Amino acid sequence: AQRVTQPEKLLSVFKGAPVELKCNYSYSGSPELFWYVQYSRQRLQLLLRHISRESIKGFTADLNKGETSFHLKKPFAQEEDSAMYYCALKFTGTASKLTFGTGTRLQVTL
Amino acid sequence: SQTIHQWPATLVQPVGSPLSLECTVEGTSNPNLYWYRQAAGRGLQLLFYSVGIGQISSEVPQNLSASRPQDRQFILSSKKLLLSDSGFYLCAWSAGSSPGELFFGEGSRLTVL
Repeated sequence: AQRVTQPEKLLSVFKGAPVELKCNYSYSGSPELFWYVQYSRQRLQLLLRHISRESIKGFTADLNKGETSFHLKKPFAQEEDSAMYYCALKFTGTASKLTFGTGTRLQVTL
Repeated sequence: SQTIHQWPATLVQPVGSPLSLECTVEGTSNPNLYWYRQAAGRGLQLLFYSVGIGQISSEVPQNLSASRPQDRQFILSSKKLLLSDSGFYLCAWSAGSSPGELFFGEGSRLTVL
């Protein structure tokens, strides 16, 4: 069965410190993975997808098939990064059915 | 530009009463549509999705149903609400041109008393 695991409910870091939000998945097919973010009082929105291999707002994520992981990283945390982060796995097929993890709240403090 | 509207934003209903949450998308045609429930500590759970008018796939057996009477309209319903139906419901849409990118509505908070 497809599953996405985010082991940390809350991650608290100081401003300027590195950030790593963990995500592990289990999926029998070829995985497509995404990170979504929800800032306070805003809608849930896509942050980045693994196939794009892009850096968004300083965040990057590398798909590691050997470790079945897709951790989200940023070298220097900013206050505005405080938000709820969800890792998601897309099912194969035409619709964009996503399985989401339980989310990690990132809290960046001064 | 595309927009998604979801209403009502907040709803308090007694146990056993019916439910209707509505979602409409503007600025695009033939979107894929989704209903998710967001529960604390459980993340987002996919309830229903639709790839076209009248085509509904249910992901989780439950007390709820969904319908798509028009291309850009998606409705979440229940004939008799249970206490366990309380939660935060999110509607989303996606386009075939951008797989995996969901655009979410603002959500509807349902409290069943």
